Amino acid sequence: RKEVEQDPGPFNVPEGATVAFNCTYSNSASQSFFWYRQDCRKEPKLLMSVYSSGNEDGRFTAQLNRASQYISLLIRDSKLSDSATYLCVVNKAAGNKLTFGGGTRVLVKP
Amino acid sequence: GAGVSQTPSNKVTEKGKYVELRCDPISGHTALYWYRQSLGQGPEFLIYFQGTGAADDSGLPNDRFFAVRPEGSVSTLKIQRTERGDSAVYLCASSLREYNEQFFGPGTRLTVL
Repeated sequence: RKEVEQDPGPFNVPEGATVAFNCTYSNSASQSFFWYRQDCRKEPKLLMSVYSSGNEDGRFTAQLNRASQYISLLIRDSKLSDSATYLCVVNKAAGNKLTFGGGTRVLVKP
Repeated sequence: GAGVSQTPSNKVTEKGKYVELRCDPISGHTALYWYRQSLGQGPEFLIYFQGTGAADDSGLPNDRFFAVRPEGSVSTLKIQRTERGDSAVYLCASSLREYNEQFFGPGTRLTVL
């Protein structure tokens, strides 16, 4: 079983709609959680950190459920430019070794 | 300011050859990381340096892979006796210190024929 699992998608989303997807992680010792965005043939870039209380950054909302060991990302009012692969990332307390999920592909269409 | 840079951007080699991939981190960043990303998958951790020393090399797949950072800045990932399964994008990242945000370079796309 992979440490971080994601639905690969693609999620086909009409422009302006809301899309949400989760990832699950297996290591209960994980301490830090992130969503990264990766465009085709580009490097990953940090989208947002995920906090236990949940957090919002503009149209993006992230939630963490430690009891069930899953993280979610919700995108409101989807833009064409939101089309990308979203990588769920966890980090254990010791060291700064990021563990990535396989990514969820989102395609926003007019 | 300048981001993380990696050279070459593309490398095609033959099975059994030796390759070196270079990473220039953001100036002043003390931590440097190497990841490998195969097609359709997320990046996988290889090794990270804090300063000149390898703090964690648990992700290196075998002894054909080796990385150095002799002066605590530029790093080189070295792969001996390359195999077709080594084909991937090799990503380098740096952070100001351990536990800070990691900034990724554009990667080196390695193809082993």
